[in-house]
Amino acid sequence: DIQMTQSPSSVSASVGDRVTITCRASQDINSWLAWYQQKPGKAPKLLIYAASSLQSGVPSRFSGRRSGTDFTLTISSLQPEDFATYYCQQANSFPWTFGQGTRVDIK
Amino acid sequence: EVQLVESGGGLVQPGGSLRLSCAASGFSFSSDYMSWVRQAPGKGLEWISVIYSGGSTYYPDSVKGRFTISGDNSKNTLYLQLNSLRREDTALYYCTKGAAMDVWGQGTTVTVSS
Repeated sequence: DIQMTQSPSSVSASVGDRVTITCRASQDINSWLAWYQQKPGKAPKLLIYAASSLQSGVPSRFSGRRSGTDFTLTISSLQPEDFATYYCQQANSFPWTFGQGTRVDIK
Repeated sequence: EVQLVESGGGLVQPGGSLRLSCAASGFSFSSDYMSWVRQAPGKGLEWISVIYSGGSTYYPDSVKGRFTISGDNSKNTLYLQLNSLRREDTALYYCTKGAAMDVWGQGTTVTVSS
């Protein structure tokens, strides 16, 4: 199975900060990676697919990048509504797997 | 509007069974990957099954042999049959659309307890 290792597990940041979350795959997954945002009591929401494609309706402050088996999600200027937990997910091969999540909270 | 609505969760004893349903609207679910993802209380997301290409299925080892995913094209409804339930299967169960999961239902809660 492909392991997805996310870091950090949590980050404290202020409004306006640039935040970067990393997800490392245990083997090549090409660009079959998605990023999700989940707020408490809500279903996850797709932000990025195919490693760097922005889902329709998602603000442009969110971006994704691939470098080999390392993937990053960057929020260029953190907004109050961005405080949430973020997950990566690979869909290159079964079983699909999620990272363990990164909680972004208020500093 | 593209929408998924789950139902069928509840309280069940260890070793028991349950069938979850996911009604799809606004699209034909047989045209895409359809998955179930669960989230135990306070924990992360775990993908637990997929159906695609007219009936192919896949499961991780954690549920293989106990859970069965299926679909009814005439009702545009996805199902998940849960058998031999364990306490560790307690979770909120979501159905999702796509390999990059662009649509999620609101979830249905399964509690396994005596």
